[in-house]
Amino acid sequence: GDSVTQMEGPVTLSEEAFLTINCTYTATGYPSLFWYVQYPGEGLQLLLKATKADDKGSNKGFEATYRKETTSFHLEKGSVQVSDSAVYFCALRDTGGFKTIFGAGTRLFVKA
Amino acid sequence: DAGVTQSPTHLIKTRGQQVTLRCSPKSGHDTVSWYQQALGQGPQFIFQYYEEEERQRGNFPDRFSGHQFPNYSSELNVNALLLGDSALYLCASSLGRDSYEQYFGPGTRLTVT
Repeated sequence: GDSVTQMEGPVTLSEEAFLTINCTYTATGYPSLFWYVQYPGEGLQLLLKATKADDKGSNKGFEATYRKETTSFHLEKGSVQVSDSAVYFCALRDTGGFKTIFGAGTRLFVKA
Repeated sequence: DAGVTQSPTHLIKTRGQQVTLRCSPKSGHDTVSWYQQALGQGPQFIFQYYEEEERQRGNFPDRFSGHQFPNYSSELNVNALLLGDSALYLCASSLGRDSYEQYFGPGTRLTVT
């Protein structure tokens, strides 16, 4: 079945460091891909999305490119801030399906 | 504009009991999905409701059931609770049958003892 695998955390970075969180997926068809973020004490929020191959999703300085050839959707940010500390989830939704499949999440800590 | 709301916030139940969790979708949204998030894990899809019908179901036993009301609010019922049902239960709403843009509520933390 469909699945999402993302790098284990926690990831600890200093402020202004470059961030990469790896995500790969397995799916039949052509899924839509997402990154969600869960800040401490808050609900899950959609961070960015890409609905077809080579699309780049971006929001709040975060970017991810839908790579069909490598079945990947890695999350990147050029300069992280303390406020980016959160748990990040990679997710997919298959074509014609209604459910979203999430990875296990990667916790990010950013130190001042 | 109120977002997705869930009640109660926390709940403690005993094995074998039954529980009902409630969700009010974001204003104007007509589709509700339920997820179970175990500690340290990603959310797992339970089922989705649209037009008061269950559209798709994840790998959860029949002990998990739901309902959607005409005002689009929804309930999740779990019977014969097991210790393994302890988790954060998330409700997400969206607009339209094919929308992928979900808005999540803060969740209900269920503890089964």
